[in-house]
Amino acid sequence: ETGVTQSPTHLIKTRGQQVTLRCSSQSGHNTVSWYQQALGQGPQFIFQYYREEENGRGNFPPRFSGLQFPNYSSELNVNALELDDSALYLCASSLVSRETQYFGPGTRLLVL
Amino acid sequence: DQQVKQNSPSLSVQEGRISILNCDYTNSMFDYFLWYKKYPAEGPTFLISISSIKDKNEDGRFTVFLNKSAKHLSLHIVPSQPGDSAVYFCAAGILTGGGNKLTFGTGTQLKVEL
Repeated sequence: ETGVTQSPTHLIKTRGQQVTLRCSSQSGHNTVSWYQQALGQGPQFIFQYYREEENGRGNFPPRFSGLQFPNYSSELNVNALELDDSALYLCASSLVSRETQYFGPGTRLLVL
Repeated sequence: DQQVKQNSPSLSVQEGRISILNCDYTNSMFDYFLWYKKYPAEGPTFLISISSIKDKNEDGRFTVFLNKSAKHLSLHIVPSQPGDSAVYFCAAGILTGGGNKLTFGTGTQLKVEL
């Protein structure tokens, strides 16, 4: 059973650019969630996808968007990057209506 | 509004002793709670969870206690080992047909000393 994987591991962008982060869910999981973890903080919920549709969203602006594909892999897209978007982005997969989410290693994004 | 709080940013414990990590919450709608452990440069690793209808759950060296009236939960690690040194996050969620968003605390850095 493969775990959650994310790519890339690190990324450097400049303000105003766009970025796409990728995630492969744990085998058999049909739900994927994305979280942003700023330095010294806990992960903050961005959104969740189930059956390729957004299934809940946190307090993030529309320039944060996502996709889920039929094989349950997922993308997080961030447009018009701001300095405060610098953070660790975590993907987690789970079965819908089940409690436990399993996290990938994260993508560390630095916006200059 | 911080709905899940971990008021101790750090904790130092001697090897073999008990580690007790605490977490408080404000939202009475939470119906399950989890603890995750995080090493640097890795994602959070699931440790143990508890449903709001229980007051204790045990898994090996790890036990989670839930006091609903006080809106407080704690994670006990006995005996503590050097490999337990990590950041521990408390998280809470509400199970609905619309998914399962987790709300996290800010974490407690546990250091287990020899």
